[in-house]
Amino acid sequence: EIVMTQSPATLSVSPGERATLSCRASQSVSSNLAWYQQKPGQAPRLLIYGASTRATGIPARFSGSGSGTEFTLTISSLQSEDFAVYYCQQYNNWPLTFGQGTRLEIK
Amino acid sequence: EVQLVQSGAEVKKPGESLKISCKGSGYSFTSYWIGWVRQMPGKGLEWMGIIYPGDSDTRYSPSFQGQVTISADKSISTAYLQWSSLKASDTAMYYCVRHDGVAGPIDYWGQGTLVTVSS
Repeated sequence: EIVMTQSPATLSVSPGERATLSCRASQSVSSNLAWYQQKPGQAPRLLIYGASTRATGIPARFSGSGSGTEFTLTISSLQSEDFAVYYCQQYNNWPLTFGQGTRLEIK
Repeated sequence: EVQLVQSGAEVKKPGESLKISCKGSGYSFTSYWIGWVRQMPGKGLEWMGIIYPGDSDTRYSPSFQGQVTISADKSISTAYLQWSSLKASDTAMYYCVRHDGVAGPIDYWGQGTLVTVSS
């Protein structure tokens, strides 16, 4: 099973600033990496797939990069609605696995 | 519009059985894999398994193999997750999800079904 490790566990950033979230895989997952956003009391939603492709309706301030074992989600200018928990997920190997999440909070 | 509508919250006792459902609409139900994701209280996401309603091909995460059963009834566009004997540790929110491909990203999520197991 591929282990996904996200860092940091909690990130405190001011609105308008840039946030950079990391995700590392225990072995290569190629570009088969997705990012999800979850707000309190809501189901997660897909932000990025294929490591760098934004899902339908996702604002351009969200961008993904990386391949192999190292991935990054960048939010270029944080809006109030972006403060949430973010999960990465690899879908290169069975079973599919999630990272433990990064909580993005207002500084 | 693609929708996954799950059955309502459940409160059960340890040892009881349970089957929760997920009805898909707005797309060809038999053409996409449906999965289940567990989220224990205050915790992260855990992928449980997946089924292809077209032929009922089913695969489980090793962590959940033998603990739950995933099934689907394509005639009513509904997938199911069931337990034969619940434990307190099964208390969690369960999401049904649609996968874009056999091992693809999750492009749609149900609203979640909260299962509480308590004596």
